[in-house]
Amino acid sequence: DAKTTQPNSMESNEEEPVHLPCNHSTISGTDYIHWYRQLPSQGPEYVIHGLTSNVNNRMASLAIAEDRKSSTLILHRATLRDAAVYYCILRQMDSNYQLIWGAGTKLIIKP
Amino acid sequence: DAGITQSPRHKVTETGTPVTLRCHQTENHRYMYWYRQDPGHGLRLIHYSYGVKDTDKGEVSDGYSVSRSKTEDFLLTLESATSSQTSVYFCAISIQGSKETQYFGPGTRLLVL
Repeated sequence: DAKTTQPNSMESNEEEPVHLPCNHSTISGTDYIHWYRQLPSQGPEYVIHGLTSNVNNRMASLAIAEDRKSSTLILHRATLRDAAVYYCILRQMDSNYQLIWGAGTKLIIKP
Repeated sequence: DAGITQSPRHKVTETGTPVTLRCHQTENHRYMYWYRQDPGHGLRLIHYSYGVKDTDKGEVSDGYSVSRSKTEDFLLTLESATSSQTSVYFCAISIQGSKETQYFGPGTRLLVL
C-alpha cells in the first residue's frame, strides 16, 4: 500500500498561516491525496482532498507538488480550535474507497 | 454530521466474552466502515460494507465479524474479546455522490480486562 510520511508534531502561533507537509513518494497516478483532522476525543473530520491540481475550500488549501510526491495542507489563519492531529492519506482508486492512515501530525497552536 | 451514531459509547468487558458494537446512520448511505484506533496511531480499517449483506475485510479483520442486514445499521462483533482488542472503535460512512469523503461517528471506547 502507498505510504505517507508526516512530521510527528508542529507548533504555530494563533492567527498565523500553517503549512503541514506530507511526503508520498510511492504515489501512483490514480491515488487521491486526502487530509483529515482529529480533535481531541472526537472522530476524524474531513478537511480536503485532491488528485493533481491545488484545491481550496472553506477550511484549508491543498498544494500538490508537480510530481505529486509531496503535498502541503495550508491553514490560512490558524485558531486555537485548529489544534488537532492532521492525517495525510492516500486513497487508491481500486480500493473501494479504503483509506490507509498513518500516525499524523499533531498541530499545537500557541496563543 | 451525516447522522451517525454509535452504541454503546463506552464498554468494559472481560476476556472471552462476546461484544457487539452498533453503528447507525439515518440517511441510507451505501458505504459503511469500521475502524479501530490505538493510542498514538492512525485508524486501521477492520471491515467495510458496500451494501446490505455486502461486506469485505480490511487490514485488521482477524477476531472481528460484521453484519449489515439493513442499510442503516452496521454491526461489529468481537466473538471472544481479547485484551489486544482494547481500543477506540470508529464507524464511518461515505456519502452518495461524494464517495471521496468519509464521515465519522463519535467512537466507542472498549476496554477488555
